[in-house]
Amino acid sequence: DAGITQSPRHKVTETGTPVTLRCHQTENHRYMYWYRQDPGHGLRLIHYSYGVKDTDKGEVSDGYSVSRSKTEDFLLTLESATSSQTSVYFCAISEDTGSSLHFGNGTRLTVT
Amino acid sequence: QQQVKQSPQSLIVQKGGISIINCAYENTAFDYFPWYQQFPGKGPALLIAIRPDVSEKKEGRFTISFNKSAKQFSLHIMDSQPGDSATYFCAAGGTYKYIFGTGTRLKVLA
Repeated sequence: DAGITQSPRHKVTETGTPVTLRCHQTENHRYMYWYRQDPGHGLRLIHYSYGVKDTDKGEVSDGYSVSRSKTEDFLLTLESATSSQTSVYFCAISEDTGSSLHFGNGTRLTVT
Repeated sequence: QQQVKQSPQSLIVQKGGISIINCAYENTAFDYFPWYQQFPGKGPALLIAIRPDVSEKKEGRFTISFNKSAKQFSLHIMDSQPGDSATYFCAAGGTYKYIFGTGTRLKVLA
């Protein structure tokens, strides 16, 4: 899986609580991404990073924040989880813009 | 401008048959068109990709056909096998970002 570890793999949390998902890579790739996957919607980009401390919003960024303090780690935080954020979250990395994405195995998050 | 439309949503094919999945994009700035294969409980994995300077790319049983003027591309799986049963996503990429189709669930009957 291209040296990408997502943690936790599963999480159940209550509405209104903060949640942080972690993505760790061992490939030293510059670009990192967070996607969510929902039935009928495919994969939608939440946030991405093009370097340490360089991040930008994707198409569904509301309610999410990210941080990247080291090349290898990209954190996704749900500031106050809502039921609409129940989803499978995938981290992806790429070596360069316009090159292929490599995905982790995902985190299944359930917000009750 | 940012959508990638994928069809069909689901597909059932007999073993040995040809599976065809189609995608259409809108933004002509896209310059990289990958296909991903996803098995349950796993992340999507790159299957094959094409750039708009060629009209076809073949890797084993998998072929991408690309029509730049129509802004369409398709995945053909020849001699489909039960092990090909998975969800397939097309994507269109440009600087930093990829837009994904909604996925096609393929089932190959033994």
